[in-house]
Amino acid sequence: DAGITQSPRYKITETGRQVTLMCHQTWSHSYMFWYRQDLGHGLRLIYYSAAADITDKGEVPDGYVVSRSKTENFPLTLESATRSQTSVYFCASSGGGAYSYEQYFGPGTRLTVT
Amino acid sequence: AQSVTQLDSHVSVSEGTPVLLRCNYSSSYSPSLFWYVQHPNKGLQLLLKYTSAATLVKGINGFEAEFKKSETSFHLTKPSAHMSDAAEYFCVVSRDNQGGKLIFGQGTELSVKP
Repeated sequence: DAGITQSPRYKITETGRQVTLMCHQTWSHSYMFWYRQDLGHGLRLIYYSAAADITDKGEVPDGYVVSRSKTENFPLTLESATRSQTSVYFCASSGGGAYSYEQYFGPGTRLTVT
Repeated sequence: AQSVTQLDSHVSVSEGTPVLLRCNYSSSYSPSLFWYVQHPNKGLQLLLKYTSAATLVKGINGFEAEFKKSETSFHLTKPSAHMSDAAEYFCVVSRDNQGGKLIFGQGTELSVKP
C-alpha cells in the first residue's frame, strides 16, 4: 500500500551525465505529473501524462524527457544534466475526472548537479 | 486564464492563537480549489479541497477554508495553532478544461511560536 513512491530520494551527479528519476504509483491513477521545486519559484510543472503512452509538456520541459509505457510508472530523464537542474523533483498522480483533480505527491527526489 | 495569489509569503503566530492564510484566485470557470501543506523535507499533502459543493470546506488537522465567489478568495483558517502546524502552505487552483493540471501559489510559510 505504498501509494506513490520516488527513487532515488537523493542523487548527486555531474554535469553532462544522464539521470533518470523514477516514479511509481499503486492506485492506477490516469494522470501523472512531474514538478520541480526551487526557492522563489514554487512548484513548476515539467511534464504530465493523461494515460499510458500520452504525455505532454508543462511549463519547463527543456532538458527533460518522459515516457509512460505502463500506467503505474512515469520516469523522468535528464538527458545531459546541467547545474540549473539542481532542484527537488516531485512526482504526483491524480485520478482525474471533472471537479476532482486533487493530486497526490511522492516524497520527492533531491537532485544535485555538480 | 487562471491564477492564484497567496497574499502573505510568511505568517507568524503564537501557539494557541488563530491562523489565517490568505488566497485569492482568478478563473473563468467554476474552479476546483485546494490547500496543500508541505512540512520541511517532505512531499505535499492535501489539506482540503473545494469542488462546488459546500462553500465551507473542512480539512484535516482542524483546518478549514471558505470559498467566497464574490471576493474570489479561498482563505485557510484554523482556530488554534499548534507547533506541528509550522510548514509551507500552498493554495492551488485547477486549470480550466486542462485535464487535471493545477496552478500553485507561491506558498505561505507558517511559523508557530511557543
